[in-house]
This record gives sequence, structure tokens and C-alpha cells, in this order.
Amino acid sequence: AQKITQTQPGMFVQEKEAVTLDCTYDTSDPSYGLFWYKQPSSGEMIFLIYQGSYDQQNATEGRYSLNFQKARKSANLVISASQLGDSAMYFCAMRDSSGTYKYIFGTGTRLKVLA
Amino acid sequence: DAGVIQSPRHEVTEMGQEVTLRCKPISGHDYLFWYRQTMMRGLELLIYFNNNVPIDDSGMPEDRFSAKMPNASFSTLKIQPSEPRDSAVYFCASSLDAIEQFFGPGTRLTVL
Repeated sequence: AQKITQTQPGMFVQEKEAVTLDCTYDTSDPSYGLFWYKQPSSGEMIFLIYQGSYDQQNATEGRYSLNFQKARKSANLVISASQLGDSAMYFCAMRDSSGTYKYIFGTGTRLKVLA
Repeated sequence: DAGVIQSPRHEVTEMGQEVTLRCKPISGHDYLFWYRQTMMRGLELLIYFNNNVPIDDSGMPEDRFSAKMPNASFSTLKIQPSEPRDSAVYFCASSLDAIEQFFGPGTRLTVL
């Protein structure tokens, strides 16, 4: 069965510093996708970044990068040069590609950026 | 471009009543997803559509829940009869490629 684990319920980071949010996953499907979403206090869900299981390079989107270590089944999100507006909940998610898409989300990590 | 539109934004109802949540996806998006978010269970995918056809409804909790997508620009999630444990934020999301999903603002449902 698929599983997503985010072990950090809360994190603090100083403004302008980099921070890594952890995510591990488990699946028996050789083809899958990994996602990160941001949920600010206003409640909306914002897509940040995607990594396919067959992608050779780590995904990057601006200040976001996904540190994909397939053998360790980890998909950590790295935010560089943190900004106050990065304070939010961050969810790791996975989608398998066998037949219909099955999306599952982790429990989230609450990030607080300190001035 | 308007994003995903959901209505109502807030709904308070009595146990046993029918509740209908509405969603208008982004034009041109082929995928539409319904999610539920609660403190206890986190974010759960309930059902998704591709080209207006329901593809996977394995996340729908009970027969009290039903979803339809009569055309490419409209979908509904109905709960009948509603129960207090259905209280949650319900999100609709649409996507062109099932990778980048654009979420609506959510409907906060409270069942008394």
C-alpha cells in the first residue's frame, strides 16, 4: 500500500536561510509522482513542485527544489532564501500511475519563518 | 483567468439535510478532483473525473456521498443525508495534466 510520511510537525527557520522539509514514501509501483503543496493560513492549496519517479534530475522551481533519493524513498523539499511569506503548512503527496491515479497526502509540516 | 470557483464558501446545515457543493473548474482542464480536509484525517481524495467521466471514486466515504460532472464546466458533490462527522473543508481542484492541480478556495461545511 502507498504511504507518505512527514515526520516534522513543525519547523522554524530564520529569514534568508535555507530549510529542508522531510518526506519519505512507500510504494510498490515502479511509476509514480511526488508533489509538494503549500497551504498558507488563508487555506488555499498551492502546487509547488513535481518529481516523476523516472526523472533523472531533481526538480527545481525557483527557490524550491526537490531532493529526490529514490533508493532511500525520500523526496525532501528544500526552500532556499526563506521569506516571511513562506510561513505555511507544507504537504508532500504521491500519485501512483498504475491504472487510475491514487493520490495520497502526508500529514504536513508547519513552517514558521522568523524575521 | 479566473481560477477554480467553488460555492458556497461556507455552509452550515442540520444533520439529515442534503448538502450540495459546487465547482467550476478552469476552462480547458480535463481533470477535476474533489478532496476533503479534516484535522483528524488530513487531506483525502474523494473522487476524480477525466473528461467528465468519474475515474476513481474509491475515496468516497459512503453511499451518502455522490458526485457528478454533467459538463466540462461544472461539478457537484452531494451529501445526503449529512452527518456531523461530514464537517470539513471540501476542495475542488482542476488540472490539465493531472500533475499541477489548481485548487479552489474550498467550502467549509459544518453539520450541526
